[in-house]
Amino acid sequence: AQKVTQAQTEISVVEKEDVTLDCVYETRDTTYYLFWYKQPPSGELVFLIRRNSFDEQNEISGRYSWNFQKSTSSFNFTITASQVVDSAVYFCALTPISSGSARQLTFGSGTQLTVLP
Amino acid sequence: KAGVTQTPRYLIKTRGQQVTLSCSPISGHRSVSWYQQTPGQGLQFLFEYFSETQRNKGNFPGRFSGRQFSNSRSEMNVSTLELGDSALYLCASSLGAGTGVNEQFFGPGTRLTVL
Repeated sequence: AQKVTQAQTEISVVEKEDVTLDCVYETRDTTYYLFWYKQPPSGELVFLIRRNSFDEQNEISGRYSWNFQKSTSSFNFTITASQVVDSAVYFCALTPISSGSARQLTFGSGTQLTVLP
Repeated sequence: KAGVTQTPRYLIKTRGQQVTLSCSPISGHRSVSWYQQTPGQGLQFLFEYFSETQRNKGNFPGRFSGRQFSNSRSEMNVSTLELGDSALYLCASSLGAGTGVNEQFFGPGTRLTVL
């Protein structure tokens, strides 16, 4: 069984501040994928990133960066110079890389990020 | 390319009734997954369909069922509705080919309220 923990329920920052969203996971599978999704008030989940367990390289995409550390089972997400439009609920998710289950995502409980002007 | 569409967007039903929700995946996508989102339980996987066959199923009672048509459109049905079924139901589509992970694209969801 898999488990994803997002301990931060709500975070509030002022625009232009940097913010890090934490994600800790548990899985017995040796190969798996990790994801981050954004859910704005409209409700639709927007894909942000996918990382497989083989690749521990950090990734940067514009103001977004991700820190994957297999040793601590963490996959943290940092937004640099936050903007009001970043306000949303952010979900971390996990799926094992095994036959038939690759599209069954286990989600964390989400972190509500509010960026104040 | 059109995104994932879900109909209806909002639905109000009473306990004991049944409901059918519809999802049209992105053109060319053959896999459709359904998720339930509630404040208490968060996002939970319901089931996945690929080429008209249920490929995976989450831990939900038999009142929750689904199907997929030859054009990849999918419906999910909930019978004998309970108050706890009130939720946002999200549909996700992906290519679904092979056993690798294909990026899942989510629809806007159907907000079901059970009174």
